[in-house]
Amino acid sequence: DVKVTQSSRYLVKRTGEKVFLECVQDMDHENMFWYRQDPGLGLRLIYFSYDVKMKEKGDIPEGYSVSREKKERFSLILESASTNQTSMYLCASSSIRDSHNEQFFGPGTRLTVL
Amino acid sequence: GQSLEQPSEVTAVEGAIVQINCTYQTSGFYGLSWYQQHDGGAPTFLSYNALDGLEETGRFSSFLSRSDSYGYLLLQELQMKDSASYFCAALQGGKLIFGQGTELSVKP
Repeated sequence: DVKVTQSSRYLVKRTGEKVFLECVQDMDHENMFWYRQDPGLGLRLIYFSYDVKMKEKGDIPEGYSVSREKKERFSLILESASTNQTSMYLCASSSIRDSHNEQFFGPGTRLTVL
Repeated sequence: GQSLEQPSEVTAVEGAIVQINCTYQTSGFYGLSWYQQHDGGAPTFLSYNALDGLEETGRFSSFLSRSDSYGYLLLQELQMKDSASYFCAALQGGKLIFGQGTELSVKP
């Protein structure tokens, strides 16, 4: 079974704090993704990575950065959290060998910034 | 811009058939995926169409027409457990662009 885990289910932080969200997958997937999900807006891609130390901007990268030092781990960093970053954050991974390009999602981290 | 349009809500009764439509405008389009998400859960993959036509997986089928930039998800023999949000997503260069989601409510 593919497993994607995220470090926290719920997180509460204060404005201006630096926030780290961690994601780990155990299926040796090359691709990893960070999304945020807000009501009525679907899933929006923040950053993605095709390989270790590689990163690509998604549709809404402003205010975020990422790190991929190991193949199985992809971290999302909020340099200075703001209230408009309160959201559900979802991590996903996929294999380049999968013709269906299926993405496997973690359970999500609901972040509240006060 | 790049966008996918799908209805925000659909309601159907148990045992019925429902179709959720999706139209897209994306450059570099490779294919159309569908994901299901139950309340409080993670999205899970349902289907992927790279070519025109119908793909069937049990009670679920998905259709793609590239010439019309259109696809749909067909759910047959609806069950209460099918109540969830359904997202279409366009594959573009290894990444997915998601629609806003359709909330399906199945009534007894």
